[in-house]
Amino acid sequence: QSVLTQPPSVSGAPGQRVTISCTGSSSNIGAGYDVHWYQQLPGTAPKLLIYDNNNRPSGVPDRFSGSKSGTSASLAITGLQAEDEADYYCQSYDSGLSAYYVFGTGTKVTVL
Amino acid sequence: EVQLVESGGGLIQPGGSLRLSCAASGFTVSSNYMSWVRQAPGKGLEWVSVIYSTGNTYYADSVKGRFAISRDNSKNTLYLQMNSLRAEDTAVYYCARGTVYFFDYWGQGTLVTVSS
Repeated sequence: QSVLTQPPSVSGAPGQRVTISCTGSSSNIGAGYDVHWYQQLPGTAPKLLIYDNNNRPSGVPDRFSGSKSGTSASLAITGLQAEDEADYYCQSYDSGLSAYYVFGTGTKVTVL
Repeated sequence: EVQLVESGGGLIQPGGSLRLSCAASGFTVSSNYMSWVRQAPGKGLEWVSVIYSTGNTYYADSVKGRFAISRDNSKNTLYLQMNSLRAEDTAVYYCARGTVYFFDYWGQGTLVTVSS
């Protein structure tokens, strides 16, 4: 079961800014472990979008940015585009459970 | 170019066994942290197992004692042996390359359906 909590859905018009929250606990995000984000387009495998809280792999547009504070993190998408419509998952490391890698519940981003 | 190609999924009866394979190219499996992550139909992502470059292996509680992760260095391939399968193991299984903390490349996934 998911240990990190995300809103089920967010939406925005093209060009707008949307943010997705990711709330953890003292055994994962709050323990200092970094947060990573994945984008899953419909019918495809997840793809690394942000690593170590705010770093983008090569090829990921700078419209995507991440931040972390305390036991939470967030992903921001600025200048929303139709191709950004996808599911987004946060992920961290957890020292309190035997599930070393924990994922968020997932957020569906809809472009209106 | 890094590529991961899973195979071995299919329809299996409860209590049965299945072995998934993940053929890698563009990097060396044995030098990396390799994981299996699954996604039940319409659900989120769940980490299943990891094998470190040292050979150490770890499992999620939900599969501990039933699943076994391994690798064949000569074939540059990762495996997941799944025994005593249950309906709740039905999912798309992805192999993923990673670091200690996250996953940087994913395969396309293979579907495992456990049903009578």
